[in-house]
Amino acid sequence: AQTVTQSQPEMSVQEAETVTLSCTYDTSESNYYLFWYKQPPSRQMILVIRQEAYKQQNATENRFSVNFQKAAKSFSLKISDSQLGDTAMYFCAFMAAGNMLTFGGGTRLMVKP
Amino acid sequence: DTGVSQDPRHKITKRGQNVTFRCDPISEHNRLYWYRQTLGQGPEFLTYFQNEAQLEKSRLLSDRFSAERPKGSFSTLEIQRTEQGDSAMYLCASSPARGLKETQYFGPGTRLLVL
Repeated sequence: AQTVTQSQPEMSVQEAETVTLSCTYDTSESNYYLFWYKQPPSRQMILVIRQEAYKQQNATENRFSVNFQKAAKSFSLKISDSQLGDTAMYFCAFMAAGNMLTFGGGTRLMVKP
Repeated sequence: DTGVSQDPRHKITKRGQNVTFRCDPISEHNRLYWYRQTLGQGPEFLTYFQNEAQLEKSRLLSDRFSAERPKGSFSTLEIQRTEQGDSAMYLCASSPARGLKETQYFGPGTRLLVL
């Protein structure tokens, strides 16, 4: 069974600064996918970024980028130029061949003006 | 695409009653997933359909829970004889058959409160 751990229950960052959210996972699979999802307060979950395990290059999406360390089973999310709209719960998630997502416990991010 | 929709958005029921939730996936998405999310936690997988076939069920899905996806379009999740422990957000997601088929798109969820 796969497990996903997010060790930071809460974080805060000043607007326009950079913040990094941590995620580690445990698996014996060799082919898998990793995701970061964002869940704003009382709103639905949306995909932030995805990473295929077979790709060595780290994924980027505008202000969002990941640091994928396959050997260390680490998958952190960096948010640059933080905006007030980035305030949300962030979930790291893992998917292998079974197609279901295994989520971490989440990190609550507060962006302060 | 209009996105994944779920109905109702909120449901309050008394213990012992049956409830049914509906999920309409993004059109032409052949995979549909149900997850349960309790307050302050990450979602947990319940079950998964590819077209009309239910391919995977979590051990979390007790015999009081049943899910269907007739004709491979919308899906329903029914909980019989609800218990207070069933109070949670029930999330539906869908993913496409082609392209980024590993990416799941979530609906707004149905929040269930069992009194």
